[in-house]
Amino acid sequence: GQSLEQPSEVTAVEGAIVQINCTYQTSGFYGLSWYQQHDGGAPTFLSYNALDGLEETGRFSSFLSRSDSYGYLLLQELQMKDSASYFCAVRDGGLNTGGFKTIFGAGTRLFVKA
Amino acid sequence: NAGVTQTPKFQVLKTGQSMTLQCAQDMNHNSMYWYRQDPGMGLRLIYYSASEGTTDKGEVPNGYNVSRLNKREFSLRLESAAPSQTSVYFCASRRDRGLEGYGYTFGSGTRLTVV
Repeated sequence: GQSLEQPSEVTAVEGAIVQINCTYQTSGFYGLSWYQQHDGGAPTFLSYNALDGLEETGRFSSFLSRSDSYGYLLLQELQMKDSASYFCAVRDGGLNTGGFKTIFGAGTRLFVKA
Repeated sequence: NAGVTQTPKFQVLKTGQSMTLQCAQDMNHNSMYWYRQDPGMGLRLIYYSASEGTTDKGEVPNGYNVSRLNKREFSLRLESAAPSQTSVYFCASRRDRGLEGYGYTFGSGTRLTVV
């Protein structure tokens, strides 16, 4: 079956760097995405990696290693507003789904302390 | 503002009641989705519609039905609500079925409680 594993909680201090890991198991792989969700809010799309390597978008970077079925989200210069849940997600490549389903991890709750 | 609009934002139902959650997007996206989110379980796909006129089951379709009314609108119906359906429901859309890189745009959610 398809599954994603990510830590349930991470705590870091303001100004620091934090890495949130994600390992996945899918029948087919079409890229790893990351979403941010603040309490009471909707998930918002952060990044997408289809190929191996690091993608950088401002303070956030996302990395993928397809051979290891592993990726991570790197947050630099942490700010209090970065306190949120972060979800990794992969598209389910199963033949019976047409490849449209996206499977989400359970999420990592990031606490940023002053 | 362009985006995904869901109604209602909050709802309390009694067991056995029915209701329809409405969703509309104005971004001309082809695919639309309904997810539910429960504490500690991330987002689970209920139903999706790859394009106007088509719908398919996701991971947890039991107890739900959907209608893709037109390209803009995708509704979720609970025919006989059960306490297990207490959750936060998110509608989402995506630009095109193959372009994962664009990511989903989510609505603000419907917080449903079934008593």
